[in-house]
Amino acid sequence: KAGVTQTPRYLIKTRGQQVTLSCSPISGHRSVSWYQQTPGQGLQFLFEYFSETQRNKGNFPGRFSGRQFSNSRSEMNVSTLELGDSALYLCASSQDGGMSGNTIYFGEGSWLTVV
Amino acid sequence: GEDVEQSLFLSVREGDSSVINCTYTDSSSTYLYWYKQEPGAGLQLLTYIFSNMDMKQDQRLTVLLNKKDKHLSLRIADTQTGDSAIYFCAERVWNRDDKIIFGKGTRLHILP
Repeated sequence: KAGVTQTPRYLIKTRGQQVTLSCSPISGHRSVSWYQQTPGQGLQFLFEYFSETQRNKGNFPGRFSGRQFSNSRSEMNVSTLELGDSALYLCASSQDGGMSGNTIYFGEGSWLTVV
Repeated sequence: GEDVEQSLFLSVREGDSSVINCTYTDSSSTYLYWYKQEPGAGLQLLTYIFSNMDMKQDQRLTVLLNKKDKHLSLRIADTQTGDSAIYFCAERVWNRDDKIIFGKGTRLHILP
């Protein structure tokens, strides 16, 4: 069973640009969550999508957005990049968002560096 | 509040037991998780415990939950060099947004 796949793995962008990250969840999983990981803030929840609908949202500015497609693949977009957006962006997939203890699987992450 | 607190560092000698502690504040937590992150990698789920359980054991891993004190611990028996990683405690919070709240992680360093 293929794991959670995130692309690209590494990327460098300049301030003001925008970036799109992609996540393919495990087959059959309908929930995809996105997290930002930085050394200072740890893991911060961005948002969760379930069946193409945003179900939960963390405390991030509107520059951070996402969407989910009918095949459960998800993308997140960050517009007008700032230096502080440099981070590891992790995608997590599960059948139902982790309810009932269903396992939540993480991808390897996308390392974004903003220069 | 929704804070999950962990100590940032732990050093343990190879072969000894490692105990990583975590405290959480939200009493409506239902599931609590331990994740492992090796350098340059994503998070790997190690184990989880339902809030009405006191203990869960899985091979070298033992999770203890004290719900009264909102304290969770992960014990790794016979710690090996391959256990060197960052360990994240996380809780599922049902009362509002059904979010999963992570601690900042404990970096486990194995001494020879």
